[in-house]
Amino acid sequence: AQSVTQLDSQVPVFEEAPVELRCNYSSSVSVYLFWYVQYPNQGLQLLLKYLSGSTLVESINGFEAEFNKSQTSFHLRKPSVHISDTAEYFCAVSDLSGGYQKVTFGTGTKLQVIP
Amino acid sequence: KAGVTQTPRYLIKTRGQQVTLSCSPISGHRSVSWYQQTPGQGLQFLFEYFSETQRNKGNFPGRFSGRQFSNSRSEMNVSTLELGDSALYLCASSLSENSPLHFGNGTRLTVT
Repeated sequence: AQSVTQLDSQVPVFEEAPVELRCNYSSSVSVYLFWYVQYPNQGLQLLLKYLSGSTLVESINGFEAEFNKSQTSFHLRKPSVHISDTAEYFCAVSDLSGGYQKVTFGTGTKLQVIP
Repeated sequence: KAGVTQTPRYLIKTRGQQVTLSCSPISGHRSVSWYQQTPGQGLQFLFEYFSETQRNKGNFPGRFSGRQFSNSRSEMNVSTLELGDSALYLCASSLSENSPLHFGNGTRLTVT
């Protein structure tokens, strides 16, 4: 079974500083990778996805993530965070080995941006 | 296009009661998944439906059940509620096998 590890449960960072949220997954033949963001009292929203092609994917609000197959990682980065980035971030892996999509989520990382 | 709609947003029930939660997926999405989210356990997969058939099920007791209708709307039911069932229940729909999940805002269930 697929597993996703987000080692950091909370990450405090000052506004305008860079941040990296780490995500590692267990190896599989082929997977799709996602980052979701959850704001208080809301559901999860897709931040970015890796399906194939370029290993570096970007979101519209300045986040980027790089797929590293050899290290089975998909870390999320932003060069300069804003107060509005305060939220919980979930890494997810989609596995099609069973013939249909099975999505496994990490335990989440709470990003706290300090003014 | 309307997003995933979950009703109700909040529910308060007592132990032993049963509850039904509803989810309307994005138009055209045939896959609906349910997740339980708690501070201690994070996001736990409950089940996934596609074209009225349950394709995948997580490790939850039989008190948790679900169904999907021909219009792709889905319901989940929890019988004989326990205090530990207090959680945010999230529904998500997707268009195809490698598509991202689109989540609703959830139903927050409190069992007293």
